[in-house]
Amino acid sequence: GAGVSQTPSNKVTEKGKYVELRCDPISGHTALYWYRQSLGQGPEFLIYFQGTGAADDSGLPNDRFFAVRPEGSVSTLKIQRTERGDSAVYLCASSFGPVQYNEQFFGPGTRLTVL
Amino acid sequence: AQKVTQAQTEISVVEKEDVTLDCVYETRDTTYYLFWYKQPPSGELVFLIRRNSFDEQNEISGRYSWNFQKSTSSFNFTITASQVVDSAVYFCALSEDSGGGADGLTFGKGTHLIIQP
Repeated sequence: GAGVSQTPSNKVTEKGKYVELRCDPISGHTALYWYRQSLGQGPEFLIYFQGTGAADDSGLPNDRFFAVRPEGSVSTLKIQRTERGDSAVYLCASSFGPVQYNEQFFGPGTRLTVL
Repeated sequence: AQKVTQAQTEISVVEKEDVTLDCVYETRDTTYYLFWYKQPPSGELVFLIRRNSFDEQNEISGRYSWNFQKSTSSFNFTITASQVVDSAVYFCALSEDSGGGADGLTFGKGTHLIIQP
């Protein structure tokens, strides 16, 4: 079956612009996670959805970052007024449920470059 | 706060050598979960193992083995008879049980493993 997909694979934007990054989780997975990975670092947790609701958004760095999952499947990460420091690979992962029982499957990521 | 430390930034060994990747974690919770992921050059993270804090049994899967020691807060990963295809960045990660279920993972900075032919 299909894995987690993310679009676009690459996004180049200018400082101050708005961007949207999309994640299509594995069908049937109720849990969805967003992470950010900077060069040479491990992934950094941003937000977790259980169904349609954000169960934990404690990792979002500031109010320029927002994510939605209106129908409990596809999710969109939205970044307003992008800054050069937002440049990173944004990873999405999904699982059937809690990590203690279920593996998180990761997508290939969206590489965001802010010029 | 939870924290994962992978002190080895890069390890280079010759094929067929055994290699151990270190992972030390910090958490205040008594219930937590530890993971190892592999990130090959293609970039996609691949799950290797999950361990809960109540199960200190070591695990072996083919050439891979994991040593979990709560006394030293370590969860080390050993590859026996390494192969070139093992070359990748390996991440150790931790998730605490907040009671609500699926917390996000806290990753270490990763260890870049290079297996030379």
